[in-house]
Amino acid sequence: EPEVTQTPSHQVTQMGQEVILRCVPISNHLYFYWYRQILGQKVEFLVSFYNNEISEKSEIFDDQFSVERPDGSNFTLKIRSTKLEDSAMYFCASSMETGYTDTQYFGPGTRLTVL
Amino acid sequence: QKEVEQNSGPLSVPEGAIASLNCTYSDRGSQSFFWYRQYSGKSPELIMFIYSNGDKEDGRFTAQLNKASQYVSLLIRDSQPSDSATYLCAVSNAGNMLTFGGGTRLMVKP
Repeated sequence: EPEVTQTPSHQVTQMGQEVILRCVPISNHLYFYWYRQILGQKVEFLVSFYNNEISEKSEIFDDQFSVERPDGSNFTLKIRSTKLEDSAMYFCASSMETGYTDTQYFGPGTRLTVL
Repeated sequence: QKEVEQNSGPLSVPEGAIASLNCTYSDRGSQSFFWYRQYSGKSPELIMFIYSNGDKEDGRFTAQLNKASQYVSLLIRDSQPSDSATYLCAVSNAGNMLTFGGGTRLMVKP
C-alpha cells in the first residue's frame, strides 16, 4: 500500500540553524501539507501546497518557513533560523484531491529538536 | 477561531466493550469529519471519515454525525487492547486544512 515517507526521522539542531525536512508524498497525490505537533499538544496545520504554490497557510507559517517541491517526488519544509519553540514533530501529509471528499494521509513524522 | 473539542480522557473500557468517543466543533461551515488514531510517538492514522448526517459503519467502527448539534462521535465495538491509543477528531470546511481536536486517550483493559 502506498505511503507517505519522511526523512530524517529525528533531527537535532542548534538554535539559529537552518533545517530542511523532507517528504515523499504518495505518488498520484496532488495536494501536499505540513502539520506540526508540539509534545502533548494538538496537531496544528502549517501549510498546504498545490500546483507548485501555497494554497493555504496558518499564522504559524511565518517568514521563517518555506516549502518547495524541488522535483517530481520530494516536498520539503525549510525553517530558516530555528528557535527553541520550533521543537516538535513535523508531519507531512498528502491527498489526491481537495474539497469535502479529500482524505489526507500522514507520513511517520520528523522529530525536530532545537537546542 | 475554529475549534474542535474532545474530552482528553483517559477513557477506560474493558476488553470486548463498546468505546464511545465524542467531538464537538464550532465552525458550522464544516463539511468533512475524520477520525484518526495516534499511538504514542507515531503519526495520525486515518480510521474513517464521514460527510453526511447519520451513521457510517466500517468493521468495528461506526462514525456518527449530527451537523445540527455540531457533534461527531466514534463507536468502537468489541474493543481490543490494541485499540488503546489517542483518537483524534479532525474537521475540514472543504478547504485544505484539517483542524484537529486535542484527542481522547482510550485505554482498553484486558
